[in-house]
Amino acid sequence: AQSVAQPEDQVNVAEGNPLTVKCTYSVSGNPYLFWYVQYPNRGLQFLLKYITGDNLVKGSYGFEAEFNKSQTSFHLKKPSALVSDSALYFCAVRDGNDKIIFGKGTRLHILP
Amino acid sequence: DSGVTQTPKHLITATGQRVTLRCSPRSGDLSVYWYQQSLDQGLQFLIQYYNGEERAKGNILERFSAQQFPDLHSELNLSSLELGDSALYFCASSATHTSGTEAFFGQGTRLTVV
Repeated sequence: AQSVAQPEDQVNVAEGNPLTVKCTYSVSGNPYLFWYVQYPNRGLQFLLKYITGDNLVKGSYGFEAEFNKSQTSFHLKKPSALVSDSALYFCAVRDGNDKIIFGKGTRLHILP
Repeated sequence: DSGVTQTPKHLITATGQRVTLRCSPRSGDLSVYWYQQSLDQGLQFLIQYYNGEERAKGNILERFSAQQFPDLHSELNLSSLELGDSALYFCASSATHTSGTEAFFGQGTRLTVV
């Protein structure tokens, strides 16, 4: 069965430093991977996706994600963190039956 | 604003009761998904509809049911409510059900069972 894992419940980063939020996946067949962000009392917002092609995917708000097939990873990155990036981040995979499966989420704290 | 509308935003009800959550997808989107978000369980997939037909089913309890109507809006019915059903319920929609298509989420309905 398809699944995603986010190994860190929380990540703390100083403002201005680069950030990475980790995600690994398990799928049969081609992976279709997504990152979403959730701010307090809000729904999930789509950030970016990987379907095929370049391993580095660029998305909203300066975020990007690196797809690594050999390591089955899809880590979310940003070169310089902002305090406003503090939120809950979800990695997701769409499986062969079309449902979208989410990881447990990683809470990102950007420290001023 | 994602374009996905969920009503009501908040709902407080007693154990044993039945409630209906409503979702209007983005204009033109044919696929609707329902998720439950609770503190200890993360975001759990419940069910997916595509153009009126059930497409995929997740960990949805037998007390819960859903449908998608001809105008593409969807309703999630929760019955015989228990305290443990208290959660945020999200609806999402996507243009199609194909693998590379992202889903867009509504703001959610916060259900509190007392």
